[in-house]
Amino acid sequence: SQQGEEDPQALSIQEGENATMNCSYKTSINNLQWYRQNSGRGLVHLILIRSNEREKHSGRLRVTLDTSKKSSSLLITASRAADTASYFCATHQETSGSRLTFGEGTQLTVNP
Amino acid sequence: DTGVSQDPRHKITKRGQNVTFRCDPISEHNRLYWYRQTLGQGPEFLTYFQNEAQLEKSRLLSDRFSAERPKGSFSTLEIQRTEQGDSAMYLCASRAGAIGRPGELFFGEGSRLTVL
Repeated sequence: SQQGEEDPQALSIQEGENATMNCSYKTSINNLQWYRQNSGRGLVHLILIRSNEREKHSGRLRVTLDTSKKSSSLLITASRAADTASYFCATHQETSGSRLTFGEGTQLTVNP
Repeated sequence: DTGVSQDPRHKITKRGQNVTFRCDPISEHNRLYWYRQTLGQGPEFLTYFQNEAQLEKSRLLSDRFSAERPKGSFSTLEIQRTEQGDSAMYLCASRAGAIGRPGELFFGEGSRLTVL
């Protein structure tokens, strides 16, 4: 079953704007990760945030984690057309062994 | 290119036929995962290997599905008596790391199965 729910399901913005995607989950986690997937391709890891971290940055990416609300957000600043892709959050749950459980994703379209 | 390779990239088969997918993980990665992804959905976990041991299996993995990793290197996922509902992208991923330590997954490009 899917652990995470991403919001919105689809997002369309103009190049240069910021894009924010949200992820909610249900059970306690060890860490939360964000992945990107171009159409018809495999997933690429973007960033990992541990359960004891609240915010993390990587280039134009900013991730926040609120374990009390069981939610995370991914912010992409100064978006580019090449950022067009699906973005998935994935949780490593405390009780799920080594598996990552993925949400259903946000489809981001950045218009030039 | 993440270094995880999957073969074939596309497979079209008729209902009732058997299919086999192969995954070659990054060589130093001892952990290997199979996921299934249908259009517009996130990847769903199927099974996980640590070295040659299959440690976790999803309830999604019916009796028609079998996965192996005989020497702790490459892995195969076989689907017997395919059904139209098996049509999906089958993704393989690998990672290094000790139990309980967080780690990113490196995904292959996937094997897309179409069952007619």
